[in-house]
Amino acid sequence: AQKITQTQPGMFVQEKEAVTLDCTYDTSDPSYGLFWYKQPSSGEMIFLIYQGSYDQQNATEGRYSLNFQKARKSANLVISASQLGDSAMYFCAMREERAGTASKLTFGTGTRLQVTL
Amino acid sequence: EPEVTQTPSHQVTQMGQEVILRCVPISNHLYFYWYRQILGQKVEFLVSFYNNEISEKSEIFDDQFSVERPDGSNFTLKIRSTKLEDSAMYFCASQSNSYNEQFFGPGTRLTVL
Repeated sequence: AQKITQTQPGMFVQEKEAVTLDCTYDTSDPSYGLFWYKQPSSGEMIFLIYQGSYDQQNATEGRYSLNFQKARKSANLVISASQLGDSAMYFCAMREERAGTASKLTFGTGTRLQVTL
Repeated sequence: EPEVTQTPSHQVTQMGQEVILRCVPISNHLYFYWYRQILGQKVEFLVSFYNNEISEKSEIFDDQFSVERPDGSNFTLKIRSTKLEDSAMYFCASQSNSYNEQFFGPGTRLTVL
């Protein structure tokens, strides 16, 4: 079974600063993917970034980067130069990956990020 | 940019009534999912659908739940006899292949009174 742990229920960061949101995972699957989603107060789930378990390099998407440490089973999200619009709930998720398979996402409990002036 | 759409955005129903939540996935996607999120909690998997059949379902997805893809574009979730604890946000998601990201719809907020 897969498990995602997000130990920070809430985080504060000042505008323009960088922030790291923690995520650890547990799985016995040899091939898996790790995801981060943003959920603003309006409720929609916005895909941010993806890391495959066999990817050698850490994923980056604009101001988002994923600090993937496979041996430690961690997949922390780093947001650089925080903006007020980054205030939201952030969910880490994972899935097993096999060709031709519809694989569910398993989510963590989320971290609420508040960006302050 | 293509997106997943869901209707209605908010549904209020009486306990024991049937509800159908509708989703239109992105047109060339092959894998479809329903998730739910009880207020203030994490997102939970309900069911996945591929090749016109259920691939996997969770313990939550009991006999009261069913899914259909009736016409090649819509993907529906039916709850036969709603309970108070079915009150939640229901998200539909679609995916083009096994290795791509899942795109989520905006959700339907279901309130059971």
